[in-house]
Amino acid sequence: RKEVEQDPGPFNVPEGATVAFNCTYSNSASQSFFWYRQDCRKEPKLLMSVYSSGNEDGRFTAQLNRASQYISLLIRDSKLSDSATYLCVVTIVGEAGTALIFGKGTTLSVSS
Amino acid sequence: DTGVSQNPRHKITKRGQNVTFRCDPISEHNRLYWYRQTLGQGPEFLTYFQNEAQLEKSRLLSDRFSAERPKGSFSTLEIQRTEQGDSAMYLCASSLFPGQSLVDTQYFGPGTRLTVL
Repeated sequence: RKEVEQDPGPFNVPEGATVAFNCTYSNSASQSFFWYRQDCRKEPKLLMSVYSSGNEDGRFTAQLNRASQYISLLIRDSKLSDSATYLCVVTIVGEAGTALIFGKGTTLSVSS
Repeated sequence: DTGVSQNPRHKITKRGQNVTFRCDPISEHNRLYWYRQTLGQGPEFLTYFQNEAQLEKSRLLSDRFSAERPKGSFSTLEIQRTEQGDSAMYLCASSLFPGQSLVDTQYFGPGTRLTVL
């Protein structure tokens, strides 16, 4: 089983749509959780950290459920500029130090 | 630009050659990470430094790979006797930990795209 699993998509949605991405992680010792955004042939950029209490940043809402080892990202009122790959990321303190463990990413395509 | 920088941005080499990549982290960031990303995959951890000390290496990092951060600032990643399977994007990230929060937030450079012919 992969350490971080995501639905690869692609998710094709019209502008203005609400879209949700899900992610599960296998290691219960995971400590920190993030969503990164990656545009084609560009580096990953931090979108937001994810906390158990949930957090919101404008049109983006992230949730963490530690009991179910599940992370979600909700994007409301999708824009064309939201088209990208969204990477679910956890950190695990252990063999790999505090390195980020990435999912394969979920591709979002927003069309007009 | 005060972000993470990497050089070269692209490298094409023949199988069997050695290549070296450089990463300059964000100033004053004490941690520096190397990742590798192939098409359709998320980045995979290779190794990381805290200041000049290399604290962890992934099983992905074969004996042909070596990384250094001699003065705790920039880092180099060398691949000896390159193979076609080494073709990938090599990403560097840096962080300041512990910083203002207990979360190790990493910032990525633009990457070096390696093509081994």
